[in-house]
Amino acid sequence: DAGITQSPRHKVTETGTPVTLRCHQTENHRYMYWYRQDPGHGLRLIHYSYGVKDTDKGEVSDGYSVSRSKTEDFLLTLESATSSQTSVYFCAISGGDGKSPFWDEQFFGPGTRLTVL
Amino acid sequence: SQQGEEDPQALSIQEGENATMNCSYKTSINNLQWYRQNSGRGLVHLILIRSNEREKHSGRLRVTLDTSKKSSSLLITASRAADTASYFCATASGNQFYFGTGTSLTVIP
Repeated sequence: DAGITQSPRHKVTETGTPVTLRCHQTENHRYMYWYRQDPGHGLRLIHYSYGVKDTDKGEVSDGYSVSRSKTEDFLLTLESATSSQTSVYFCAISGGDGKSPFWDEQFFGPGTRLTVL
Repeated sequence: SQQGEEDPQALSIQEGENATMNCSYKTSINNLQWYRQNSGRGLVHLILIRSNEREKHSGRLRVTLDTSKKSSSLLITASRAADTASYFCATASGNQFYFGTGTSLTVIP
């Protein structure tokens, strides 16, 4: 987990409220990712970024938006949280050597447990 | 849609035995990776094998890839209690990246 922090680590919120999760890296990796992990589904990619201001959708992007205004921060926003978004959210990074292609070895943060009541 | 599926879903072995878990996927891939997750923690990268490779070793880990069968296997030799964790395969395909649902490995001391 060294070099990647996620905040908050735990959050309980109510349906309909906006929520923003933050991923911060000190590794200067080019690529960043947001996943959610649910029992029976493994990890599923929500959004990813291949550079500052460059983002794209993953497998389960509906209901989520992201922003990356600087290399070290990748924000995940739930505009109006729903109970189906209760999950553990993981941020990951890759591409630290400047040469590795996309989808190479990823390093994961510690996760954020989000509960939507 | 799920790209990778691991088999078995759960595996329990004695310390010192070898553990083998398999991963099957659906479409062509650029690479296949294996990760480990200890309970309540983030994932840790174990090994990456590219689509043009057939076998790779790293310490006690051996990974094989058969692109004709769209399958991979992870072998952990001489298992230790500390190997108890969930293991996930992940595939890079086009502009997407997919994880399987994982194999839960328990190594009994």
